Amino acid sequence: DGGITQSPKYLFRKEGQNVTLSCEQNLNHDAMYWYRQDPGQGLRLIYYSQIVNDFQKGDIAEGYSVSREKKESFPLTVTSAQKNPTAFYLCASSIAFPPPGRSYGYTFGSGTRLTVV
Amino acid sequence: AQTVTQSQPEMSVQEAETVTLSCTYDTSENNYYLFWYKQPPSRQMILVIRQEAYKQQNATENRFSVNFQKAAKSFSLKISDSQLGDTAMYFCAFMDRDNYGQNFVFGPGTRLSVLP
Repeated sequence: DGGITQSPKYLFRKEGQNVTLSCEQNLNHDAMYWYRQDPGQGLRLIYYSQIVNDFQKGDIAEGYSVSREKKESFPLTVTSAQKNPTAFYLCASSIAFPPPGRSYGYTFGSGTRLTVV
Repeated sequence: AQTVTQSQPEMSVQEAETVTLSCTYDTSENNYYLFWYKQPPSRQMILVIRQEAYKQQNATENRFSVNFQKAAKSFSLKISDSQLGDTAMYFCAFMDRDNYGQNFVFGPGTRLSVLP
């Protein structure tokens, strides 16, 4: 079955450490996204990518980095510059340019909970 | 910039009853899509229903239906015959058709509890 796989499900980071969250999809979607969700809040966009080797900053990109070397993969690195990284991280994918009049929305992964220890 | 507002942070409903979740949005665009997503305690985001703005007919998916009022920029979700498994956070989301694939705008969410 096609879908999005995020790993790990839980991740612990020490102060000053970089960590990388994995996101892989086999849906043949062009576009991929990273969102951050804090308790009781909605989703905020970190980065998105519509094609391989290209990505754009979202609303809260500071302290994060991404790469898109393959269509299927969009890893997110939380750097030591991110001062408050404890949150739930969701990866999503979509068709970048659907036929006119059609909409499909996003397909989401199951998320990674990152905690600073 | 588009914004999405969900004015009910929390709601509860008795099992088998009907509940309506509110969503309003602000945009100057004419062509766009609207969505409702459900996030149960597992945290998995699940698409519930979607609506294309150019369609006047309200979308329905089994027990879920919407009341789309384009002029009022309102997009409420009605859940009929509520079930315990409907307990979740519900997010309303907007996407500009001309910028598809770039960004959803999500509302802050409504936490729905279905009571036995």
